[in-house]
Amino acid sequence: AQTVTQSQPEMSVQEAETVTLSCTYDTSESNYYLFWYKQPPSRQMILVIRQEAYKQQNATENRFSVNFQKAAKSFSLKISDSQLGDTAMYFCAFMAFSGTYKYIFGTGTRLKVLA
Amino acid sequence: KAGVTQTPRYLIKTRGQQVTLSCSPISGHRSVSWYQQTPGQGLQFLFEYFSETQRNKGNFPGRFSGRQFSNSRSEMNVSTLELGDSALYLCASSMDLAFQAFFGQGTRLTVV
Repeated sequence: AQTVTQSQPEMSVQEAETVTLSCTYDTSESNYYLFWYKQPPSRQMILVIRQEAYKQQNATENRFSVNFQKAAKSFSLKISDSQLGDTAMYFCAFMAFSGTYKYIFGTGTRLKVLA
Repeated sequence: KAGVTQTPRYLIKTRGQQVTLSCSPISGHRSVSWYQQTPGQGLQFLFEYFSETQRNKGNFPGRFSGRQFSNSRSEMNVSTLELGDSALYLCASSMDLAFQAFFGQGTRLTVV
Protein backbone atom coordinates (compact mmCIF):
# COMPACT_ATOMS: atom_id res chain seq x y z
CA ALA A 1 0.00 0.00 0.00
CA GLN A 2 1.14 3.50 -0.76
CA THR A 3 1.59 6.09 1.96
CA VAL A 4 2.40 9.79 1.91
CA THR A 5 4.01 11.52 4.89
CA GLN A 6 4.24 15.22 5.59
CA SER A 7 6.24 15.65 8.77
CA GLN A 8 5.74 19.39 9.21
CA PRO A 9 2.23 20.13 10.56
CA GLU A 10 2.82 23.89 10.59
CA MET A 11 5.32 26.31 9.15
CA SER A 12 5.66 30.03 8.88
CA VAL A 13 7.70 32.25 6.59
CA GLN A 14 8.24 35.96 6.20
CA GLU A 15 6.82 37.60 3.12
CA ALA A 16 9.30 37.55 0.22
CA GLU A 17 11.34 34.76 1.81
CA THR A 18 11.71 31.17 0.60
CA VAL A 19 10.22 28.14 2.31
CA THR A 20 10.45 24.40 1.65
CA LEU A 21 7.72 21.92 2.54
CA SER A 22 8.70 18.28 2.91
CA CYS A 23 6.96 15.17 1.64
CA THR A 24 8.04 11.56 1.59
CA TYR A 25 6.14 8.62 0.18
CA ASP A 26 6.32 4.90 0.06
CA THR A 27 5.36 2.76 -2.92
CA SER A 28 6.42 -0.30 -4.82
CA GLU A 29 5.12 1.20 -8.07
CA SER A 30 7.67 2.31 -10.62
CA ASN A 31 5.42 4.69 -12.50
CA TYR A 32 3.38 7.28 -10.67
CA TYR A 33 2.55 10.94 -10.35
CA LEU A 34 3.11 13.32 -7.49
CA PHE A 35 1.23 16.51 -6.77
CA TRP A 36 1.13 19.45 -4.45
CA TYR A 37 -2.32 20.86 -3.80
CA LYS A 38 -3.09 24.02 -1.89
CA GLN A 39 -6.21 24.49 0.26
CA PRO A 40 -6.79 28.11 1.28
CA PRO A 41 -9.42 29.08 3.88
CA SER A 42 -12.03 28.96 1.13
CA ARG A 43 -11.54 25.14 1.33
CA GLN A 44 -11.16 24.71 -2.43
CA MET A 45 -8.21 22.50 -3.33
CA ILE A 46 -6.05 24.00 -6.06
CA LEU A 47 -3.27 22.24 -7.96
CA VAL A 48 0.09 23.90 -7.37
CA ILE A 49 2.43 21.61 -9.27
CA ARG A 50 2.72 18.04 -10.56
CA GLN A 51 5.61 15.70 -11.32
CA GLU A 52 5.75 12.52 -13.36
CA ALA A 53 8.02 9.98 -11.70
CA TYR A 54 9.60 8.96 -15.00
CA LYS A 55 10.86 12.51 -15.57
CA GLN A 56 14.20 13.32 -13.99
CA GLN A 57 13.78 17.05 -14.42
CA ASN A 58 12.18 18.78 -11.45
CA ALA A 59 8.90 20.54 -12.21
CA THR A 60 8.64 24.29 -11.82
CA GLU A 61 5.66 26.60 -11.96
CA ASN A 62 6.49 30.27 -11.53
CA ARG A 63 7.50 30.73 -7.85
CA PHE A 64 6.89 27.05 -7.08
CA SER A 65 9.38 24.29 -7.72
CA VAL A 66 9.93 20.77 -6.50
CA ASN A 67 12.93 18.72 -5.50
CA PHE A 68 12.07 15.19 -6.59
CA GLN A 69 14.40 12.51 -5.33
CA LYS A 70 13.02 9.22 -6.65
CA ALA A 71 15.50 6.93 -4.92
CA ALA A 72 14.86 8.60 -1.58
CA LYS A 73 11.12 8.80 -2.30
CA SER A 74 11.13 12.45 -1.43
CA PHE A 75 9.12 15.24 -3.05
CA SER A 76 9.59 18.65 -1.45
CA LEU A 77 7.98 21.91 -2.52
CA LYS A 78 9.92 25.16 -2.58
CA ILE A 79 8.02 28.43 -2.58
CA SER A 80 10.14 31.43 -3.51
CA ASP A 81 9.26 35.07 -2.84
CA SER A 82 6.44 34.02 -0.52
CA GLN A 83 3.28 36.10 -0.70
CA LEU A 84 0.47 36.59 1.79
CA GLY A 85 -1.83 34.76 -0.61
CA ASP A 86 0.29 31.63 -0.23
CA THR A 87 -1.11 31.18 3.28
CA ALA A 88 -2.94 27.85 3.12
CA MET A 89 -2.80 24.15 3.86
CA TYR A 90 -0.55 22.32 1.44
CA PHE A 91 -1.13 18.68 0.65
CA CYS A 92 1.27 16.32 -1.05
CA ALA A 93 -0.50 13.64 -3.09
CA PHE A 94 0.43 10.43 -4.90
CA MET A 95 -1.30 8.64 -7.73
CA ALA A 96 -0.16 5.36 -9.20
CA PHE A 97 0.09 5.10 -12.96
CA SER A 98 -1.50 1.68 -12.88
CA GLY A 99 -5.04 2.97 -12.88
CA THR A 100 -6.15 3.09 -9.28
CA TYR A 101 -8.00 6.31 -10.11
CA LYS A 102 -7.39 7.88 -6.72
CA TYR A 103 -5.10 10.29 -4.95
CA ILE A 104 -3.41 9.37 -1.70
CA PHE A 105 -2.89 12.50 0.32
CA GLY A 106 -0.52 13.39 3.10
CA THR A 107 -1.81 14.97 6.28
CA GLY A 108 -0.93 18.47 5.14
CA THR A 109 1.30 21.35 6.20
CA ARG A 110 -0.31 24.56 7.36
CA LEU A 111 1.76 27.43 5.96
CA LYS A 112 1.41 30.95 7.26
CA VAL A 113 3.09 33.81 5.44
CA LEU A 114 3.84 36.70 7.78
CA ALA A 115 3.78 40.34 6.72
CA LYS B 1 -15.92 27.96 -17.65
CA ALA B 2 -17.90 27.00 -14.56
CA GLY B 3 -16.08 25.10 -11.85
CA VAL B 4 -17.09 22.06 -9.86
CA THR B 5 -20.30 22.76 -7.99
CA GLN B 6 -21.21 20.96 -4.81
CA THR B 7 -24.56 21.30 -3.13
CA PRO B 8 -25.47 21.94 -0.46
CA ARG B 9 -22.53 23.80 1.04
CA TYR B 10 -23.58 23.12 4.61
CA LEU B 11 -25.76 20.45 6.12
CA ILE B 12 -26.79 19.50 9.65
CA LYS B 13 -28.31 16.07 10.17
CA THR B 14 -29.28 13.93 13.14
CA ARG B 15 -27.77 10.55 13.91
CA GLY B 16 -29.58 7.78 12.12
CA GLN B 17 -30.75 9.95 9.24
CA GLN B 18 -29.51 9.67 5.70
CA VAL B 19 -28.06 12.35 3.46
CA THR B 20 -27.43 12.89 -0.24
CA LEU B 21 -24.73 15.19 -1.52
CA SER B 22 -24.50 16.39 -5.09
CA CYS B 23 -21.60 17.23 -7.35
CA SER B 24 -21.76 18.81 -10.80
CA PRO B 25 -18.43 18.44 -12.59
CA ILE B 26 -16.85 20.78 -15.07
CA SER B 27 -18.43 20.43 -18.48
CA GLY B 28 -16.72 17.69 -20.45
CA HIS B 29 -15.21 15.96 -17.42
CA ARG B 30 -16.26 12.36 -17.12
CA SER B 31 -14.35 11.40 -13.98
CA VAL B 32 -15.76 12.35 -10.60
CA SER B 33 -14.10 11.43 -7.30
CA TRP B 34 -15.23 11.91 -3.72
CA TYR B 35 -13.06 12.47 -0.65
CA GLN B 36 -13.83 12.81 3.02
CA GLN B 37 -11.75 15.34 4.94
CA THR B 38 -11.58 15.29 8.73
CA PRO B 39 -9.05 16.79 11.16
CA GLY B 40 -8.17 13.33 12.49
CA GLN B 41 -7.99 11.25 9.30
CA GLY B 42 -7.15 13.89 6.74
CA LEU B 43 -8.29 13.33 3.15
CA GLN B 44 -9.63 9.86 2.56
CA PHE B 45 -10.73 8.52 -0.83
CA LEU B 46 -14.35 7.42 -1.03
CA PHE B 47 -14.96 6.44 -4.67
CA GLU B 48 -14.35 7.38 -8.27
CA TYR B 49 -16.77 7.23 -11.19
CA PHE B 50 -16.17 7.43 -14.90
CA SER B 51 -18.99 7.36 -17.42
CA GLU B 52 -21.42 6.05 -14.81
CA THR B 53 -19.11 3.22 -13.73
CA GLN B 54 -17.47 3.01 -10.34
CA ARG B 55 -13.81 2.29 -11.02
CA ASN B 56 -12.54 2.30 -7.47
CA LYS B 57 -13.88 2.43 -3.95
CA GLY B 58 -12.16 3.40 -0.74
CA ASN B 59 -12.22 1.63 2.58
CA PHE B 60 -15.53 2.91 3.88
CA PRO B 61 -18.54 0.98 5.19
CA GLY B 62 -21.43 0.12 2.92
CA ARG B 63 -23.42 3.03 4.37
CA PHE B 64 -21.47 5.18 1.94
CA SER B 65 -22.61 4.84 -1.63
CA GLY B 66 -22.55 6.87 -4.78
CA ARG B 67 -23.60 7.02 -8.36
CA GLN B 68 -22.98 8.98 -11.50
CA PHE B 69 -25.56 10.01 -14.04
CA SER B 70 -25.29 10.14 -17.81
CA ASN B 71 -24.55 13.89 -17.66
CA SER B 72 -21.59 13.10 -15.34
CA ARG B 73 -23.24 14.65 -12.30
CA SER B 74 -22.63 12.55 -9.24
CA GLU B 75 -24.30 11.98 -5.93
CA MET B 76 -23.09 10.34 -2.80
CA ASN B 77 -25.37 8.99 -0.13
CA VAL B 78 -24.67 8.21 3.49
CA SER B 79 -27.27 6.19 5.35
CA THR B 80 -27.71 5.73 9.08
CA LEU B 81 -25.52 8.71 9.89
CA GLU B 82 -23.06 8.50 12.76
CA LEU B 83 -21.36 11.32 14.65
CA GLY B 84 -18.07 10.28 13.05
CA ASP B 85 -19.45 11.04 9.60
CA SER B 86 -19.15 14.75 10.36
CA ALA B 87 -16.66 15.99 7.80
CA LEU B 88 -16.01 18.09 4.75
CA TYR B 89 -16.90 16.07 1.67
CA LEU B 90 -14.97 17.11 -1.41
CA CYS B 91 -15.78 16.26 -4.97
CA ALA B 92 -13.23 16.43 -7.75
CA SER B 93 -13.71 16.23 -11.48
CA SER B 94 -11.16 15.64 -14.19
CA MET B 95 -10.60 14.66 -17.75
CA ASP B 96 -7.55 12.76 -16.55
CA LEU B 97 -6.66 12.44 -12.87
CA ALA B 98 -3.02 12.04 -13.83
CA PHE B 99 -2.93 15.64 -15.00
CA GLN B 100 -5.20 17.55 -12.71
CA ALA B 101 -8.29 17.22 -10.59
CA PHE B 102 -10.50 20.24 -10.09
CA PHE B 103 -12.12 20.32 -6.69
CA GLY B 104 -15.35 21.83 -5.52
CA GLN B 105 -15.62 23.86 -2.33
CA GLY B 106 -17.06 20.91 -0.50
CA THR B 107 -20.10 20.13 1.58
CA ARG B 108 -19.66 20.55 5.31
CA LEU B 109 -21.74 17.84 6.97
CA THR B 110 -22.39 18.02 10.69
CA VAL B 111 -24.08 15.09 12.40
CA VAL B 112 -25.62 15.85 15.80
